[in-house]
Amino acid sequence: GAVVSQHPSWVICKSGTSVKIECRSLDFQATTMFWYRQFPKQSLMLMATSNEGSKATYEQGVEKDKFLINHASLTLSTLTVTSAHPEDSSFYICSAAISSGPGTDTQYFGPGTRLTVL
Amino acid sequence: QKEVEQNSGPLSVPEGAIASLNCTYSDRGSQSFFWYRQYSGKSPELIMSIYSNGDKEDGRFTAQLNKASQYVSLLIRDSQPSDSATYLCAVTLSGGYQKVTFGIGTKLQVIP
Repeated sequence: GAVVSQHPSWVICKSGTSVKIECRSLDFQATTMFWYRQFPKQSLMLMATSNEGSKATYEQGVEKDKFLINHASLTLSTLTVTSAHPEDSSFYICSAAISSGPGTDTQYFGPGTRLTVL
Repeated sequence: QKEVEQNSGPLSVPEGAIASLNCTYSDRGSQSFFWYRQYSGKSPELIMSIYSNGDKEDGRFTAQLNKASQYVSLLIRDSQPSDSATYLCAVTLSGGYQKVTFGIGTKLQVIP
């Protein structure tokens, strides 16, 4: 159980184009999903917290107009990188949270999407 | 002071030995603690979660939590070359709901 998928697994695009990444929880409903970015040899950096049916909460320094997040259902969240530039090239990973009681929320990660902007 | 601190390593252990990975955190109100394993180029994979003081064992893995010392560790018994990866400590900070803060990760190398 607790399987999270991401699509696409990798994408190459030209500078200025937009890229949409999908994150799905396959065997559970996740009220909360998270989007992370990881640059080479660095730790995970949380970009935003996404709750079903409400606006995402972005971390400080993350441009909400550039990284559009939509959490339309309990099993699907999407991240759109708008007007991508080479500096946006990174490994984007989503996670979905399962709760088994107060203070026990556990995140399960998708396989990640490697974005390369030329 | 970083919220979650780990030694980046690399930590090298011979095959069959016990690998000990350590993590300290700054927020005394933290409630949930996790260890994730991340292979190079892959996303993190949950190994263990621990919520109360003491030890929690799962197969070759044992997580240890000491809230008074703000310290959490992961022991890997009978280390295998396939255990070579980066191990991320993650802590849910108080007031952060489901959001976790990750340490930088400790790179483990198991030498055959």
